[in-house]
Amino acid sequence: GESVGLHLPTLSVQEGDNSIINCAYSNSASDYFIWYKQESGKGPQFIIDIRSNMDKRQGQRVTVLLNKTVKHLSLQIAATQPGDSAVYFCAENSGGSNYKLTFGKGTLLTVNP
Amino acid sequence: DAGITQSPRHKVTETGTPVTLRCHQTENHRYMYWYRQDPGHGLRLIHYSYGVKDTDKGEVSDGYSVSRSKTEDFLLTLESATSSQTSVYFCAIGFPAGKTNTGELFFGEGSRLTVL
Repeated sequence: GESVGLHLPTLSVQEGDNSIINCAYSNSASDYFIWYKQESGKGPQFIIDIRSNMDKRQGQRVTVLLNKTVKHLSLQIAATQPGDSAVYFCAENSGGSNYKLTFGKGTLLTVNP
Repeated sequence: DAGITQSPRHKVTETGTPVTLRCHQTENHRYMYWYRQDPGHGLRLIHYSYGVKDTDKGEVSDGYSVSRSKTEDFLLTLESATSSQTSVYFCAIGFPAGKTNTGELFFGEGSRLTVL
């Protein structure tokens, strides 16, 4: 069947390089944001989140940056590995909702060995 | 895994037939969601539930109905399937955002539905 990865922006990197995946969000009233990773044939998995009162948050090998001025979110993956190959989605809590998320269309990351 | 089971995982059906997808959770989460995922559209919310017998529409609810008679089960029904409902359907569970959490969702493995 057709993969969710088709029709998506793509990013191809070499193993060991750093990856930066970008996301533009739509609603200035959204006050938290989440990055998800989706491997082929699986459901999305939580990576990292950030509240709107923060500019940066770090996890294990991942960093999320938030620029509220231009409504932009980025996910940085350090020392990218083949296992990082997946579709990455950003999500925002729809205009301040505390129980509904709106998802971006995603970016397909391919890591070349 | 967050204790979410979707069934069936794959189904092929014909236009006009009814279809029910089941989501079962073992986590006792109050909130449950049904999303569909299509190339070029990402994840779109169909319906969600905030408790037993409490449901509400999402952004693409036309042609779908849901029911939640028990905390652990959330059913998605296509009364008369159409080819435009060919998609991958994901169930999700989660807590509302609060001071200590950001309302992240936990997803099932998906149900691929093909309507011929």
